[in-house]
Amino acid sequence: KNQVEQSPQSLIILEGKNCTLQCNYTVSPFSNLRWYKQDTGRGPVSLTIMTFSENTKSNGRYTATLDADTKQSSLHITASQLSDSASYICVVAFSGGYNKLIFGAGTRLAVHP
Amino acid sequence: DTGVSQNPRHKITKRGQNVTFRCDPISEHNRLYWYRQTLGQGPEFLTYFQNEAQLEKSRLLSDRFSAERPKGSFSTLEIQRTEQGDSAMYLCASSSGLAGGRRETQYFGPGTRLLVL
Repeated sequence: KNQVEQSPQSLIILEGKNCTLQCNYTVSPFSNLRWYKQDTGRGPVSLTIMTFSENTKSNGRYTATLDADTKQSSLHITASQLSDSASYICVVAFSGGYNKLIFGAGTRLAVHP
Repeated sequence: DTGVSQNPRHKITKRGQNVTFRCDPISEHNRLYWYRQTLGQGPEFLTYFQNEAQLEKSRLLSDRFSAERPKGSFSTLEIQRTEQGDSAMYLCASSSGLAGGRRETQYFGPGTRLLVL
């Protein structure tokens, strides 16, 4: 079964601290893996996209890693800010004519002052 | 604002009523997607359009659901005889179809939150 699992389900950190979110997937055939940020009541916004040949991708304070052999990915957030409070969703796309996406349930991150 | 827009943003209806949502994709994006997201879960795929053609429908899209994209631009999602289980956020996304597949980004709208009483 094609699934994307994320951990932890929720996380609370203090402003300025770093954190790492985890993602495991069983989607096949694999095309690419994306991390999205979703603020409460809003649509998801893309942070990174990685194909199977890419091990790491950065976007400002966000760094995503991908291990296609173990089918694991992580999203590392450096020097967290209050505005980082959101759900972070790991998304895996099927290989094919268009990018059919399988979403994880997300990790809900709360950054406290 | 040139992003994906959705209307209405919120809809409250009584069980058994019909509702229709509209999505305006980013101009010139030929691919359009509908998703449903329930509380605490990631979005689930409902359907996909390439221009005006509906190319894929999820099994989640029961006979009460219908989606159209008549001119290949905006799209509508209609739910007939709504049930309480239809309460969710309905998200629309669009993509250009030009980025060569693997790196193509789907841009999401703000969603329509439906509450069925």
